Amino acid sequence: GAVVSQHPSRVICKSGTSVKIECRSLDFQATTMFWYRQFPKQSLMLMATSNEGSKATYEQGVEKDKFLINHASLTLSTLTVTSAHPEDSSFYICSATGQLYGYTFGSGTRLTVV
Amino acid sequence: GENVEQHPSTLSVQEGDSAVIKCTYSDSASNYFPWYKQELGKGPQLIIDIRSNVGEKKDQRIAVTLNKTAKHFSLHITETQPEDSAVYFCAAEAGNMLTFGGGTRLMVKP
Repeated sequence: GAVVSQHPSRVICKSGTSVKIECRSLDFQATTMFWYRQFPKQSLMLMATSNEGSKATYEQGVEKDKFLINHASLTLSTLTVTSAHPEDSSFYICSATGQLYGYTFGSGTRLTVV
Repeated sequence: GENVEQHPSTLSVQEGDSAVIKCTYSDSASNYFPWYKQELGKGPQLIIDIRSNVGEKKDQRIAVTLNKTAKHFSLHITETQPEDSAVYFCAAEAGNMLTFGGGTRLMVKP
């Protein structure tokens, strides 16, 4: 079946620094990738949708200059949290879809900004 | 846009009992309804899904029903086991994206 690999699984960074999270589809070509944010005991909130080779589409209220998304190939998308602050601490999850596969989720990244 | 509501938010059952989680959606154009199980610190895992041309689907102890007229769908877990304890999310697809329900924390007591 479809597998989506997300790294790192957890990261701690200092306030003001940038963090990059990678999302890879291992056995299929992901035409579309999604990035979600999840606060404790809450549902998944869609942050942005990206198609390979195109600029990401951000949901209302998500700062595109803070959350940089790059979908340079059909198997890799990255989310960079720039100038991270404690309020950016959260669980970030990616998802990928392809021609033959529905929505497959990565294992998530726990970001802690100190 | 699509709005998905999920109930209950928490559900506690005895091992061996059945559990039912219900969701409603607003967009009549939605045609794909997956259910995900999320364990602590992990990403959601698809457990079952249903498309709008089907009214019911079953996979061993898990079943999903869909009523398109009423715009609601339900997850049924029979013979619950402690390892079924997790958070369950329903979702509806419209416009090539998923909208999630608020989640149900299921606790199965041994």
